[in-house]
Amino acid sequence: TQLLEQSPQFLSIQEGENLTVYCNSSSVFSSLQWYRQEPGEGPVLLVTVVTGGEVKKLKRLTFQFGDARKDSSLHITAAQPGDTGLYLCAGADGSWGKFQFGAGTQVVVTP
Amino acid sequence: NAGVTQTPKFQVLKTGQSMTLQCAQDMNHEYMSWYRQDPGMGLRLIHYSVGAGITDQGEVPNGYNVSRSTTEDFPLRLLSAAPSQTSVYFCASSYSGTGTSYEQYFGPGTRLTVT
Repeated sequence: TQLLEQSPQFLSIQEGENLTVYCNSSSVFSSLQWYRQEPGEGPVLLVTVVTGGEVKKLKRLTFQFGDARKDSSLHITAAQPGDTGLYLCAGADGSWGKFQFGAGTQVVVTP
Repeated sequence: NAGVTQTPKFQVLKTGQSMTLQCAQDMNHEYMSWYRQDPGMGLRLIHYSVGAGITDQGEVPNGYNVSRSTTEDFPLRLLSAAPSQTSVYFCASSYSGTGTSYEQYFGPGTRLTVT
């Protein structure tokens, strides 16, 4: 059973457009992480959010943690082909850092 | 620093064979984990370790064994391979970041096919 639901599953946009990826759960998480994974490689950590309502920015990427710590979003402004990849969210249950992963959103940005 | 290394990168096994997937990290991280990634399923936790000599089961542990004799190494053993174990396997290590956050670092993965 997948505790974290990501939407959409697939997103194809043109360079310069904006996009938002969502990560939703009925569970409360002590922290939530976003990763990007490229073909043939392991996921790479982008950001960790720990406080309800927290907003973090990483260049053109904006991450938000919901007030109730059950959901999160990733917004990319003016997407570039280098943003292409599988975006994964992962929630920690508060123990040592045992994570539940969402199924991922495949983002394709075409020039 | 090499980070997290995994060997082999690719492996083909016949049903019933056994093998060990190797994982090593040189960052002195306390925590290490094994995940499998299947299409449309995200990453699922197989086993994890919170320190040398301590391991525990994750979400999908059946058919796999682990041990952690040193901080650096965390091998995953497939006891009797089955086609359902065809997957991409990732090893990760992590440390306690700020407060309750844990920063995970992943290896490049092992692509396993069981025929």
